[in-house]
Amino acid sequence: GQQVMQIPQYQHVQEGEDFTTYCNSSTTLSNIQWYKQRPGGHPVFLIQLVKSGEVKKQKRLTFQFGEAKKNSSLHITATQTTDVGTYFCAGPHFGNEKLTFGTGTRLTIIP
Amino acid sequence: DTAVSQTPKYLVTQMGNDKSIKCEQNLGHDTMYWYKQDSKKFLKIMFSYNNKELIINETVPNRFSPKSPDKAHLNLHINSLELGDSAVYFCASSQGTPTATDTQYFGPGTRLTVL
Repeated sequence: GQQVMQIPQYQHVQEGEDFTTYCNSSTTLSNIQWYKQRPGGHPVFLIQLVKSGEVKKQKRLTFQFGEAKKNSSLHITATQTTDVGTYFCAGPHFGNEKLTFGTGTRLTIIP
Repeated sequence: DTAVSQTPKYLVTQMGNDKSIKCEQNLGHDTMYWYKQDSKKFLKIMFSYNNKELIINETVPNRFSPKSPDKAHLNLHINSLELGDSAVYFCASSQGTPTATDTQYFGPGTRLTVL
C-alpha cells in the first residue's frame, strides 16, 4: 500500500542550529502538504507544494518538492524554541482522494 | 471563534462502554474527516464525509460509526470500546470535495482513554 515515510523520527537540536526533515513516498505525489503539530496541539497547515522541483520559503523555513515528486524536505534555519513540535508531510497519490500523512518528525530544542 | 470544534476534549471510560465524540465546523466547508492519532503520533484517516455523504471509509472496525446530520457536523460513535481504541481523535474539514489538494483544518482533538 501507499506509504509516506519521514526521517528522522526524532531530532534534538541546540537552539540556533539548523534542522531538516525528509519525506519520502513510495509512489508519485500530485502535491505535498506540510503540517506542524505543537505538543498537546493539533496539526496546523504550513504550506503546499505542487510543481516538480518547487521551493518555497516562509521566513526561516524552506520547503522543497523533489523533481520526481516522490520526496520533499523541510529545512529550518537557526531553530528557536517556538519551532518545537512534530512536523508532518502529507500527500495524495494520483487518483487517490485522501491525504496520507507521513510518519512525522518530532523536533525538540535544547535551550 | 473556533473554526473546528470537538467535544469532549478528554474522555475516560471503561472497556465495553459506548461513547460519542462530536465535531462542528463553522468554516462553511463541504468535507469533514475523522483521524486517529496513536501514541506514536501516527495520523491515520478513518472517515471522510462530503455534504453528509460518506466518501472515505478506511479499514476501521464497524464498532466505529460516523454520522453527519448536516455538512457542518460530523459525529463519531464508538461501540464496545476496547483498550486499543485509546488515542487522540481529530476532526478536520476542507473546503471542497476530498481531492486531497485542499488544506485541512483540524479540531483540537479528543483524547480517549479506555481503562
